[in-house]
Amino acid sequence: EVQLVESGGALVQPGGSLRLSCAASGFTFSIYAMGWVRQAPGKGLEWVSVISGFGGETLYADSVKGRFTISRDNSKNTLYLQLSSLRAEDTAVYYCANTFPTTSSVYFQHWGQGTLVIVS
Amino acid sequence: EVVLTQSPATLSLSPGERATLSCRASQSVGSSLAWYQQRPGQAPRLLIYDASNRATGIPDRFSGSGSGTDFTLTISSLEPEDFAVYYCQHRSNSWTFGQGTKVEIK
Repeated sequence: EVQLVESGGALVQPGGSLRLSCAASGFTFSIYAMGWVRQAPGKGLEWVSVISGFGGETLYADSVKGRFTISRDNSKNTLYLQLSSLRAEDTAVYYCANTFPTTSSVYFQHWGQGTLVIVS
Repeated sequence: EVVLTQSPATLSLSPGERATLSCRASQSVGSSLAWYQQRPGQAPRLLIYDASNRATGIPDRFSGSGSGTDFTLTISSLEPEDFAVYYCQHRSNSWTFGQGTKVEIK
């Protein structure tokens, strides 16, 4: 059974930093690209970042580019998201998800339960 | 960047009724579209990928259709656990979500 467990969410002041972690199990972690998606309170889903299976390629939403850094440790089956220069608008539940590639696209298949970041 | 517009924002229906949700893309996305369900207090769940393929374990009362710019998610007969928010999603240079449709109990 695929499990994704996020941790690291906290209350942090504007301008502060935080590192989120996502521990993965139940699948061959290193094969799959992984991503982060966030959801502000009462709002919809917003894609944040994706990293390739071996970490060589990363993509970021414009809203976080230059402030957030995605990384992974395949020896620990763990995904990370380093958040810096945090703003109030970064307040959200942050979900990690593994990807599901098809012939035409890449989707988010399994999701963790999320970790809450509050910037205030 | 592709913009996804979902309608209606809220759909009020009774258990057993048919639900029809729409997602319109600002430009053609072929069949590269997914649907996710998010129940209150839970993480999203992949329902449909490539516009019409059910993800593993998804009941056959859920179906997706469409291509190009117009897509539909249909729930043939609503079960109590189907009252939730539904999002469409497309990936081009980035991953884009629609704003969601809430299916609520009438």
